[in-house]
Amino acid sequence: GQNIDQPTEMTATEGAIVQINCTYQTSGFNGLFWYQQHAGEAPTFLSYNVLDGLEEKGRFSSFLSRSKGYRYLLLKELQMKDSASYLCAVMDSNYQLIWGAGTKLIIKP
Amino acid sequence: IAGITQAPTSQILAAGRRMTLRCTQDMRHNAMYWYRQDLGLGLRLIHYSNTAGTTGKGEVPDGYSVSRANTDDFPLTLASAVPSQTSVYFCASSPQHQETQYFGPGTRLLVL
Repeated sequence: GQNIDQPTEMTATEGAIVQINCTYQTSGFNGLFWYQQHAGEAPTFLSYNVLDGLEEKGRFSSFLSRSKGYRYLLLKELQMKDSASYLCAVMDSNYQLIWGAGTKLIIKP
Repeated sequence: IAGITQAPTSQILAAGRRMTLRCTQDMRHNAMYWYRQDLGLGLRLIHYSNTAGTTGKGEVPDGYSVSRANTDDFPLTLASAVPSQTSVYFCASSPQHQETQYFGPGTRLLVL
């Protein structure tokens, strides 16, 4: 079967940096997506990687190295509003998204 | 309207009843999707439509049906609701089926 693994929960301090890893086993790979989901709300798109490299959007970066097995979301200068779940999803060979259960990020003052 | 809307926002439904969840987008996206989200699990695809007039089954299609009569609307029907269909349902759309998906606000459904 296909599956996505990511930490269930992480805790970090306001102003710090946190890295959320994602590992996957899917039939094919057509890109890795990160979404943010605040409690009780819809997922919102953060980033997309299909080629190895770094995608930066402000305080958020996503990194992919398929050859070295690195896939992560990096959040810098953490703010209280970053408390949310972060969902990793991989697009398989049929162009369907396979979703992880999400990493709940708790930010402490 | 802008983006994707879903209705109702929430619903309590008696088991055995029929229910249609509505989804409308105004972005002229070709592809649309229905997911359910349950605690501790990733989003699971119920049905999808790559373009108006076509639909396909996702990972968990049993007990659900969809139609795609036009580009904007993609209703999801539960023919005879069961308690295991208690979940949060998200509709999403993308310009083409292999592109980034954008989500509606969700419908919280409780089946008793």
